[in-house]
Amino acid sequence: GAVVSQHPSWVICKSGTSVKIECRSLDFQATTMFWYRQFPKQSLMLMATSNEGSKATYEQGVEKDKFLINHASLTLSTLTVTSAHPEDSSFYICSARDGGRNTGELFFGEGSRLTVL
Amino acid sequence: QQQVKQSPQSLIVQKGGISIINCAYENTAFDYFPWYQQFPGKGPALLIAIRPDVSEKKEGRFTISFNKSAKQFSLHIMDSQPGDSATYFCAASRAGTALIFGKGTTLSVSS
Repeated sequence: GAVVSQHPSWVICKSGTSVKIECRSLDFQATTMFWYRQFPKQSLMLMATSNEGSKATYEQGVEKDKFLINHASLTLSTLTVTSAHPEDSSFYICSARDGGRNTGELFFGEGSRLTVL
Repeated sequence: QQQVKQSPQSLIVQKGGISIINCAYENTAFDYFPWYQQFPGKGPALLIAIRPDVSEKKEGRFTISFNKSAKQFSLHIMDSQPGDSATYFCAASRAGTALIFGKGTTLSVSS
């Protein structure tokens, strides 16, 4: 089956620093990837849609200058949390759709737990 | 506006019982309705999904019932087991766009 890999799985950083999270589709090409954020005991909230070779589309209320998304290849998208603050602590999950299938299914990574001190 | 409404928020079922989780949606353009299972600290995993041209789909102990006219769909877990204890999310999407998730249901199956 299609596999999406995220790295790192958890990261702790100091307030004011930047953190990069990688999302890779291991066995399929993903023209579109989606980034979600999940706070404890809450649902997954869409942050942005990432299209290979173009600028990401951000959901209302998500600061594009704070959450930088780059989708430079068909198998890699990155999310950089710039100048992180404690309120950015969350579980970040990427997902991708296999462009070779027309099932609508989204494959999710294992998530990255960010803790900002 | 919440596009996908899920209930109940939490559910306790005895081992061997049937777990039922319900979702309702607003957007009639939605054409894909999956259910995901999530364990603590893990990403969500697809359980089962349905499209609006089908009223029911069964995979093992998991069944989706879909009512297009009522804009509702539900997940039934037969013979619930302690290992099914997790958070379940319904979701919906249209034409290959991002999934919109319900708020989730925490299921506890008591042994």
